[in-house]
Amino acid sequence: KAGVTQTPRYLIKTRGQQVTLSCSPISGHRSVSWYQQTPGQGLQFLFEYFSETQRNKGNFPGRFSGRQFSNSRSEMNVSTLELGDSALYLCASSLQQNTGELFFGEGSRLTVL
Amino acid sequence: GESVGLHLPTLSVQEGDNSIINCAYSNSASDYFIWYKQESGKGPQFIIDIRSNMDKRQGQRVTVLLNKTVKHLSLQIAATQPGDSAVYFCAENGEYGNKLVFGAGTILRVKS
Repeated sequence: KAGVTQTPRYLIKTRGQQVTLSCSPISGHRSVSWYQQTPGQGLQFLFEYFSETQRNKGNFPGRFSGRQFSNSRSEMNVSTLELGDSALYLCASSLQQNTGELFFGEGSRLTVL
Repeated sequence: GESVGLHLPTLSVQEGDNSIINCAYSNSASDYFIWYKQESGKGPQFIIDIRSNMDKRQGQRVTVLLNKTVKHLSLQIAATQPGDSAVYFCAENGEYGNKLVFGAGTILRVKS
């Protein structure tokens, strides 16, 4: 069974641009979560989707948004990029709701110049 | 979210020895705890979890201990192997849904 797939793996943007990251969950998983990982702040929760509905949102500005499609694939978007948005963005999927057993992808590494 | 520093604590152990990685949590309302392992260049990987109605749970070569009185969690790895070298994170899931709050992480280095 294929794991969680994230694209692109690496990307470089400049301040003020926007970016869209994509995540394909494990087949059959309906819950998708996104996390930001930086050396300074560690792993921080961005948002979670289940059956196309956002169920939870972390403490990030409105520039960070996401969505989930009917096939459970998810995208997140960051608009008006800032230098501090440089990070590894991790997507995770799970079979069940309210579980800590998440299956993470390898992440999309975003560099903002 | 939690604010963590740039420097993660490091635990260095000899191959074959047992490792103990500790984690303190702050939310007394948390009722579910998880350990993750992250190898270089990869996403975190689930190791083991424990609910607050338990104080110990064992897996394959790993044991998680939970002390709710002092809000402390530990991960014990038996017969540590070079492949265990990674960053280990504890996480809490005390809220509805899959929102995990991760600790800062501990680097485990296994010396051969």
